[in-house]
Amino acid sequence: QKEVEQNSGPLSVPEGAIASLNCTYSDRGSQSFFWYRQYSGKSPELIMFIYSNGDKEDGRFTAQLNKASQYVSLLIRDSQPSDSATYLCAVKTGGFKTIFGAGTRLFVKA
Amino acid sequence: SAVISQKPSRDICQRGTSLTIQCQVDSQVTMMFWYRQQPGQSLTLIATANQGSEATYESGFVIDKFPISRPNLTFSTLTVSNMSPEDSSIYLCSVLAASTDTQYFGPGTRLTVL
Repeated sequence: QKEVEQNSGPLSVPEGAIASLNCTYSDRGSQSFFWYRQYSGKSPELIMFIYSNGDKEDGRFTAQLNKASQYVSLLIRDSQPSDSATYLCAVKTGGFKTIFGAGTRLFVKA
Repeated sequence: SAVISQKPSRDICQRGTSLTIQCQVDSQVTMMFWYRQQPGQSLTLIATANQGSEATYESGFVIDKFPISRPNLTFSTLTVSNMSPEDSSIYLCSVLAASTDTQYFGPGTRLTVL
């Protein structure tokens, strides 16, 4: 069974701090990795994707991938209350299916 | 990214009835997916719908309960048949953008079964 594991949280950080969200996956053959943000009552919204080991930055967001450790993370710098949401880690293992984690709830306190 | 619309956005239905949810995409896509998300839970894949072929259902989901149509590359429907309160959930359409190998989601249909 291919799995994607996330800490369900909630993760609570003060405004302006760095929020660090983590994800591990079981299939070493995984090739593509994604982070989605889901506000309460809304559908998931893609915020980052990463394919290669290392860091990928987009504004306040940085995705980090370590394939040897089967670990992917999302850093949110200068966290804002508007970042409060559930963050879903997703992994494509080949073929067309994407495996989604259960999500981590993030609360940014003003 | 693809622009995806779903209809209806929400509905309240009586048990034993059926509801058909429509998903429209602004561009041609090969792969379309239907998910269910119950309150506080993550996404559960119901089936994958390819144009011109039968939908492929995940374990626990059957065609008689969730028939799917995929008449062309921009449209799909999911029917929730003979509904019970346990079918109350958000149903999400999703498409795979081939250029980035990335999935995008529609706004969802919130279904309540009384």
